[in-house]
Amino acid sequence: SQTIHQWPATLVQPVGSPLSLECTVEGTSNPNLYWYRQAAGRGLQLLFYSVGIGQISSEVPQNLSASRPQDRQFILSSKKLLLSDSGFYLCAMADSYEQYFGPGTRLTVT
Amino acid sequence: RKEVEQDPGPFNVPEGATVAFNCTYSNSASQSFFWYRQDCRKEPKLLMSVYSSGNEDGRFTAQLNRASQYISLLIRDSKLSDSATYLCAVPYSGNTPLVFGKGTRLSVIA
Repeated sequence: SQTIHQWPATLVQPVGSPLSLECTVEGTSNPNLYWYRQAAGRGLQLLFYSVGIGQISSEVPQNLSASRPQDRQFILSSKKLLLSDSGFYLCAMADSYEQYFGPGTRLTVT
Repeated sequence: RKEVEQDPGPFNVPEGATVAFNCTYSNSASQSFFWYRQDCRKEPKLLMSVYSSGNEDGRFTAQLNRASQYISLLIRDSKLSDSATYLCAVPYSGNTPLVFGKGTRLSVIA
């Protein structure tokens, strides 16, 4: 079965600092990969998705970017964090119709 | 516009009660539908997939009404451990990525 790893689990960063969140997947090949954000008390917002290496689709224009350097690796980055970037960042994968989430990274921007 | 709307809740029900949540969707071409369960500060976990008129798994039943474009989740004989937020999800197009509702919070009370 598939396993999704995300790290770190929690992160506190100052405004203006860079960000790099990593997601890796095991037990599957050529999955679709997704980054979602869930702000406090709000729903899941799709940020990026990827159907293959180097293929990234952005759903919401903002100061975040994503990259997929390897088949089972998906990275979320920012050059300068904003207070509004605080939230619960979830990586998800799908290799069929069903989508599964990683454990998430809780980011607090101070 | 692709939207998924849910009863916001919270639903406070006694143990043993039957409770139902509704979810309406705007994409009439959707062929698959999903219910996720999310515990506080955890990732959403897939509870049930619906590809035809409905699905049943133990105390949980999901029913699809294509004409009215809604799916429902019925929980029978509620347990304290059912307390969580229940998210409905529908694909943008094809099979993924998924658009999520904001969730319905359920509290089962002893």
